[in-house]
Amino acid sequence: EAEVAQSPRYKITEKSQAVAFWCDPISGHATLYWYRQILGQGPELLVQFQDESVVDDSQLPKDRFSAERLKGVDSTLKIQPAELGDSAMYLCASRPTGGLGYTFGSGTRLTVV
Amino acid sequence: GQQVMQIPQYQHVQEGEDFTTYCNSSTTLSNIQWYKQRPGGHPVFLIQLVKSGEVKKQKRLTFQFGEAKKNSSLHITATQTTDVGTYFCAGPISGNQFYFGTGTSLTVIP
Repeated sequence: EAEVAQSPRYKITEKSQAVAFWCDPISGHATLYWYRQILGQGPELLVQFQDESVVDDSQLPKDRFSAERLKGVDSTLKIQPAELGDSAMYLCASRPTGGLGYTFGSGTRLTVV
Repeated sequence: GQQVMQIPQYQHVQEGEDFTTYCNSSTTLSNIQWYKQRPGGHPVFLIQLVKSGEVKKQKRLTFQFGEAKKNSSLHITATQTTDVGTYFCAGPISGNQFYFGTGTSLTVIP
């Protein structure tokens, strides 16, 4: 069964440092999402891509977060500088055009110390 | 803030008992999706409902979409320990962007 690949699985970083997460969606899935999930809460949308274009980044804290999907395949989410409040699970999801539910990756658990 | 609310936030049931979680949106939804997230895992898509009043079943799980398309429910009959996890509803609040509910965490006591 096809999966959404994410790395790293876990990341511990000191505040003010830069951190990056990588996501490789299911082949052929044009739509890619980055979600942030704080423990005990539902996933919150950060950014949505359609191919290489950003469709929605209204919830992305652009002063410190950036996301790119240069070739419309894999994607990188960066935080610089990291803050203590950024500690969360960062989930990537993809969906085929016209498809139903999202397929989520296993996520990157970020701890900022 | 959260525009899709779920109740209860937590539910502990004895194995074999039934379980229901309710999802309420502040706006009318064109469709609603349900996901299950096992402890330490990631959300897994369960189902999508589209029609007003729609009811769908998956084995012991029954999903319902309200007539006004602003609420939904998930009912599990005779819970098993494998049902443990957090159940989220998600709906397109703005355009095609799905916003997830607050989730209901289910604990099943053997």
